[in-house]
Order: sequence, then structure tokens, then C-alpha cells
Amino acid sequence: DAGITQSPRHKVTETGTPVTLRCHQTENHRYMYWYRQDPGHGLRLIHYSYGVKDTDKGEVSDGYSVSRSKTEDFLLTLESATSSQTSVYFCAISRAKGGNEQFFGPGTRLTVL
Amino acid sequence: AQSVTQLDSHVSVSEGTPVLLRCNYSSSYSPSLFWYVQHPNKGLQLLLKYTSAATLVKGINGFEAEFKKSETSFHLTKPSAHMSDAAEYFCVVSDPNRGQFYFGTGTSLTVIP
Repeated sequence: DAGITQSPRHKVTETGTPVTLRCHQTENHRYMYWYRQDPGHGLRLIHYSYGVKDTDKGEVSDGYSVSRSKTEDFLLTLESATSSQTSVYFCAISRAKGGNEQFFGPGTRLTVL
Repeated sequence: AQSVTQLDSHVSVSEGTPVLLRCNYSSSYSPSLFWYVQHPNKGLQLLLKYTSAATLVKGINGFEAEFKKSETSFHLTKPSAHMSDAAEYFCVVSDPNRGQFYFGTGTSLTVIP
């Protein structure tokens, strides 16, 4: 298995609080991604990174920010959590663009009350 | 633009019978295509990938998929279903220039004993 960990694995928080999810990889892959998974929607891209300090928005980026200060870490922050952000969040990594596959972390289940 | 349509949200088969999960794609480029499997409460695991080599791609656990450019399809098949195949399956197309991946909404496979 690819060396990808996510923390925390489960979190319950209240509306309006900030939340930060962490993705850590030991594979030295250039690309890192944050997705959310909701029933009926598959996985939707929130943000991705193509290198240290290089990030870009995905299709559902509103309400989320990211940072990547080191190759191995990619942080996802919900500045002020809302109930619509209750979801399962997956981090993924990829060695390069093109035909290279993604490897996924185990996921973080976030509940916003 | 890249997109993926999984034609069936749910498929049920009897154990020992063939599996067919259908996927159509749209891509502005020569696509790279992937199938992933997700077992309940788990992360996503790569089943197989197509990257412009052989059109018939063999994956893990007896699965295979055939790339048909004329039909813009990448259907996943397995000759004989096993109980352990019950899971959610995702078809994915990648954007070779931006390093992004586009997911279908998933097909839930049920295997009946």
C-alpha cells in the first residue's frame, strides 16, 4: 500500500468552528489531492497541489482552503465549518500527470453539527 | 473537457455469473482511464488502468476492461462474480495536461449467494 495517512480519521465539530485535516505521504509524489465523497456524487475534487506551495481549485472549492509547505504534507482547512461540509474526505497522491494513477488515503469522516 | 458517465448506479448479479459495469467517457485528449473499487468504509483501490497501450486491460482479482475509442467506452468485466466483489466501483478519466482526475458517480455491485 502507498504510504498515505490522514488525520484525524473521525471528527465531530460544530457549525462555525475551523477544522484542519492533514494528509501525509511517504512516497515523495508530486501531486496531492483532496476530495469529498457524498452519496450519489462519487468523488469531487476540492483542491489539488502540483508541488510545494503550488495549488489550484477543484470543482467544489468554496469554503475550503489548502496549504502545502512540504512535499509530504497537504492540509485542508474549513475556515468556518457548515453542515453541508459533513462528508468523507479523501486524500490522494499521484507521481505525475498524464497516465499515472492515484493512490488514496483511508479517509476522514467529518460531521458538522 | 473530460467527464465520465457510469450507466448503472446499481448492479446485482448471482455468485458465479459474469459481471458487467458500464462506463462511457468524454475527453478532449487521448484519455487515460482507470477503474477503482471501494469496499464499505474503506479507501479506493486501483483495479486497472488504460494508458494507450493494449486496448484490453487486465487488472487485479480477475477483472478486465476494454477500451473502445469508437464507442467512447471502458466497460469493466469479470467472468465469474465472487461474494468478495460486492463493493462500489468508480470509473475515472484523467486530464493529461492538468493532472486532474474526473470520477463517475459510481456503481454499487451486489453479489447474491
